[in-house]
Amino acid sequence: NAGVMQNPRHLVRRRGQEARLRCSPMKGHSHVYWYRQLPEEGLKFMVYLQKENIIDESGMPKERFSAEFPKEGPSILRIQQVVRGDSAAYFCASSPYRSDTQYFGPGTRLTVL
Amino acid sequence: ELKVEQNPLFLSMQEGKNYTIYCNYSTTSDRLYWYRQDPGKSLESLFVLLSNGAVKQEGRLMASLDTKARLSTLHITAAVHDLSATYFCAVDPSGSRLTFGEGTQLTVNP
Repeated sequence: NAGVMQNPRHLVRRRGQEARLRCSPMKGHSHVYWYRQLPEEGLKFMVYLQKENIIDESGMPKERFSAEFPKEGPSILRIQQVVRGDSAAYFCASSPYRSDTQYFGPGTRLTVL
Repeated sequence: ELKVEQNPLFLSMQEGKNYTIYCNYSTTSDRLYWYRQDPGKSLESLFVLLSNGAVKQEGRLMASLDTKARLSTLHITAAVHDLSATYFCAVDPSGSRLTFGEGTQLTVNP
């Protein structure tokens, strides 16, 4: 059973460009979570999605950030007009049920030049 | 606002010694998680503690939960170098989001 998959693993963008981060949950998992880990900081919750629905986006910045989890295909975290402060590791996690253990993917390390 | 605090944040210990990492949280939660993160890597689930008084052990690590005191401990017995990593505790009272502690960076020296 493959684990949570994220791609790309490393992404370099220039200021003002768009970044798209993809997450494929573990097989049988329909709950997806995104977290951000800034340098020298802990992990902060961003958004929780279940197939086709955003359940909790209280951790998402109000502007430039969006997330989706379509019926078919991976979950996407999209960052428009990136700024240097967006440089971080973005982790996706999945679980089979709400309130179950979350299993983390390898992360996408975004660098904004 | 939910706060999760770990201490110590940095821990350097000798191989063969014992030590405990503490995790305090500020609101009721009957579910607490411990994760391990190696540098540049993802988070590995170590333990999930589901009720007051729960104790779980895996190898040299043992975790416990006191929901009344809002405290969890991660005890390391006879540390070895392979245990060097950052350890995070996290709580999820709403069932929809993990709130993490700051992490404890553990270094085990020969």
